[in-house]
Amino acid sequence: ETGVTQTPRHLVMGMTNKKSLKCEQHLGHNAMYWYKQSAKKPLELMFVYSLEERVENNSVPSRFSPECPNSSHLFLHLHTLQPEDSALYLCASSQEVGASGYTDTQYFGPGTRLTVL
Amino acid sequence: AQKVTQAQTEISVVEKEDVTLDCVYETRDTTYYLFWYKQPPSGELVFLIRRNSFDEQNEISGRYSWNFQKSTSSFNFTITASQVVDSAVYFCALSEAFANAGGTSYGKLTFGQGTILTVHP
Repeated sequence: ETGVTQTPRHLVMGMTNKKSLKCEQHLGHNAMYWYKQSAKKPLELMFVYSLEERVENNSVPSRFSPECPNSSHLFLHLHTLQPEDSALYLCASSQEVGASGYTDTQYFGPGTRLTVL
Repeated sequence: AQKVTQAQTEISVVEKEDVTLDCVYETRDTTYYLFWYKQPPSGELVFLIRRNSFDEQNEISGRYSWNFQKSTSSFNFTITASQVVDSAVYFCALSEAFANAGGTSYGKLTFGQGTILTVHP
C-alpha cells in the first residue's frame, strides 16, 4: 500500500449505530487530519493530530470521536449521527503539522462516503 | 480571517481548448502557502502544486501552469490543450499558521468552493 488509505470507502449507518472510519498513511508523516466534505460546502477541517497528540478540534460535535494510536493510524469513531452528517470524510497526512511561517503539503486519502439514514 | 474564492463554479470546454481556473485569496499574513488540488470522481484529492508567498515565479509542469500575482492576491491555474482526463473538481487552498487554544501553531488549510471542470471529447 502506498500513500494514504481509508476504509471503508462507503458506509451506510442508522442514527443509532456506532461505526468507525480508519485511515492509514504509509508516508512516514507525523501529522494527520480529518476533513468533512459536504455537498455545496468547502472542505471543513475537523481534527489535527501531531505525533498522536490532538492539536485541534475545530468545534466538532462530540458524536465524532477521533483516535490516533500512532503516527500512521487515525480513526474517527461515530455514534448517534444525524442525517446532516452524511458527507465524504477525508483523511490527510503531512510530514509535520506546521508552525508559524511554515506549512507542509497535505496528502489526502480517497475518502469514506458516509450516509446516515 | 483567511478566505479563498473560486468564482467559477463550473466550466465546460471541448478537448484541446485551453482553460484557466481562477483563485483569489485573502490573508493578513505575510507568510503563507497556496495550493491546488484535483479531485477526480474517485474522491481523492490529488496534490498539484504548493507555492509560498515569497516565490512569485510562475511555474509550468507539462500542460499545467500557474500564475501567482501577489499584487492582486490571485493564484490562477491554466490547463493547456485540455483532455477528457482533466475532468474533475479543482480546489485552490490557502495555508497559514494557526494557533490552537493552547497556543500551539499548525498549518491550517482553507479551501475554496472548487471549480467543476468538464472536458468534452
